Amino acid sequence: SYVLTQPPSVSVAPGQTARITCGGNNIGSKSVHWYQQKPGQAPVLVVYDDSDRPSGIPERFSGSNSGNTATLTISRVEAGDEADYYCQVWDSSSDHPGVFGGGTKLTVL
Amino acid sequence: QLQLQESGSGLVKPSQTLSLTCAVSGGSISSGGYSWSWIRQPPGKGLEWIGYIYHSGSTYYNPSLKSRVTISVDRSKNQFSLKLSSVTAADTAVYYCARCLGGSYSNWFDPWGQGTLVTVSS
Repeated sequence: SYVLTQPPSVSVAPGQTARITCGGNNIGSKSVHWYQQKPGQAPVLVVYDDSDRPSGIPERFSGSNSGNTATLTISRVEAGDEADYYCQVWDSSSDHPGVFGGGTKLTVL
Repeated sequence: QLQLQESGSGLVKPSQTLSLTCAVSGGSISSGGYSWSWIRQPPGKGLEWIGYIYHSGSTYYNPSLKSRVTISVDRSKNQFSLKLSSVTAADTAVYYCARCLGGSYSNWFDPWGQGTLVTVSS
């Protein structure tokens, strides 16, 4: 099945820009979705189809996808952005289409 | 807005069957042509897709769980369900239900239920 690789952790100071990567073989040919999960809470969709934002998600959250890497970018990071972030793709050619990355813990210093 | 709520037994004995239900409110489970999914998260670990049921009733399961999983829908009660048989301690997790959005080539999950912890222990 398709494998998505995320760094275990990313740290950033408040007001700076955080970039969380999601690696996969030719991931640029797939649509990537991103979720934010705070402790004790369910995941929340923050970006879908590489770079679209659901209603209610701040413009500070953006996404890109090319080659073998997709990136979630969080601008002007706030303390409230501290959470786990997961990337996800739908590998329609596989018998295991629903695939999540291992998650990245974003720490706001 | 659409809300999902999981319910079911929080403690299941090894070798028995885990049964959960996801109640959908704020919209009909039969409208929009959506699919409905189950996802789980072992304590302290990442997310694992379990499977989904398409609006037509077709189901699709994670191959690693396929022999033990059944997802079904009860349109009269606006809910869908998960059954996982022959459970072991490795099935201990928070179980989430979610709506699938997208299409044939790309699906994502939104919204999610709050999740329910299921512990497998004798």
